Amino acid sequence: AQSVAQPEDQVNVAEGNPLTVKCTYSVSGNPYLFWYVQYPNRGLQFLLKYITGDNLVKGSYGFEAEFNKSQTSFHLKKPSALVSDSALYFCAVRDLTGGGNKLTFGTGTQLKVEL
Amino acid sequence: KAGVTQTPRYLIKTRGQQVTLSCSPISGHRSVSWYQQTPGQGLQFLFEYFSETQRNKGNFPGRFSGRQFSNSRSEMNVSTLELGDSALYLCASSFVARGSTNEKLFFGSGTQLSVL
Repeated sequence: AQSVAQPEDQVNVAEGNPLTVKCTYSVSGNPYLFWYVQYPNRGLQFLLKYITGDNLVKGSYGFEAEFNKSQTSFHLKKPSALVSDSALYFCAVRDLTGGGNKLTFGTGTQLKVEL
Repeated sequence: KAGVTQTPRYLIKTRGQQVTLSCSPISGHRSVSWYQQTPGQGLQFLFEYFSETQRNKGNFPGRFSGRQFSNSRSEMNVSTLELGDSALYLCASSFVARGSTNEKLFFGSGTQLSVL
């Protein structure tokens, strides 16, 4: 079965500093990986995805993610954090069992950016 | 384009009742998925519909059911509600082009269901 793990429940970072939100995956076959963000009382918003190609994927709002096959990781990064980046971040993997467009999500990481 | 619309936004029910939640996908999107979000379990996949057919189902009891209409709008129903069904139910739609996979999901704001 496909799965992702987000080892940190919460990440705190000062505004202007770089941020990293960690994600590791376990899949059979090629991984199809996603990052989503959830603001309070809202649904999830797509940030970026990795299907194939360059290991560095650029996404919305200045975020990027680095795919590392040897470490089975797909960490989310941003060079300079903003207070408005504070939100709940989910890593997800396309679940290939049963067909369709099913995603399996990690448990989420709460990012808090402080002044 | 209008986003994914879920109604109602909030719902309070008592144990044993049933509930129907509605989702209108983005125009042109034929795939609609449902997820349950709880603080303890995170996001759990319920089911996905495409062109009125269920093409994937998660590990939920038969009390959870859904359907999709010819205009791609979808409903999910939960019968005989239990306290543990209290959650945020999220609907997501995606555009599935022929031969394409891994399309991103567009989520609605969800329906917050409280079971008392």
